[in-house]
Amino acid sequence: DAGVTQSPTHLIKTRGQQVTLRCSPKSGHDTVSWYQQALGQGPQFIFQYYEEEERQRGNFPDRFSGHQFPNYSSELNVNALLLGDSALYLCASRTGSSYEQYFGPGTRLTVT
Amino acid sequence: GNSVTQMEGPVTLSEEAFLTINCTYTATGYPSLFWYVQYPGEGLQLLLKATKADDKGSNKGFEATYRKETTSFHLEKGSVQVSDSAVYFCALSDIAQGGSEKLVFGKGTKLTVNP
Repeated sequence: DAGVTQSPTHLIKTRGQQVTLRCSPKSGHDTVSWYQQALGQGPQFIFQYYEEEERQRGNFPDRFSGHQFPNYSSELNVNALLLGDSALYLCASRTGSSYEQYFGPGTRLTVT
Repeated sequence: GNSVTQMEGPVTLSEEAFLTINCTYTATGYPSLFWYVQYPGEGLQLLLKATKADDKGSNKGFEATYRKETTSFHLEKGSVQVSDSAVYFCALSDIAQGGSEKLVFGKGTKLTVNP
């Protein structure tokens, strides 16, 4: 049983560019959350998707947007990249009946 | 809002030493509590959890007890191994209206175990 998968593993972008990160949840999971983990910090919640809708959003600007597809996979989009967006982006999934979240390996984004 | 405060690191121990990583929380209601572990270059793995007061979570020799009276969830292990070297995160589950939730994490504690 594949766990949560994310792509790409690493990404280097230039300030002002746009980026799309992808996540496939663990089999049987329908709820996907995204977190940003800056170097040396704990993960910060960006948003959560369920039934293709954004259910809750953390304290992130509108440059951060997302999408969930009918197969429950998800994308995180970041526009107008800033140097401060450099971080590890983690995707987590869970079933609707449990609050236990399973994390993917993350995408390391570097903005130069 | 809800928050988690955990012991600042780094922590360096010798193999077979006793480990304690302190974690306290501030929350309305009674959140579920978690310890996650992050090995170098990897994502987060759930280590253990507790969903109500006085519950003890345990896994791989690690234990933590949900203490409502002291709002704490300290992580302990009786005898650490080199392979336990990692960053440990304490977290709580913050439930919003409508049933959606997010994890609120502490800043992490880096543990290094020397042979």
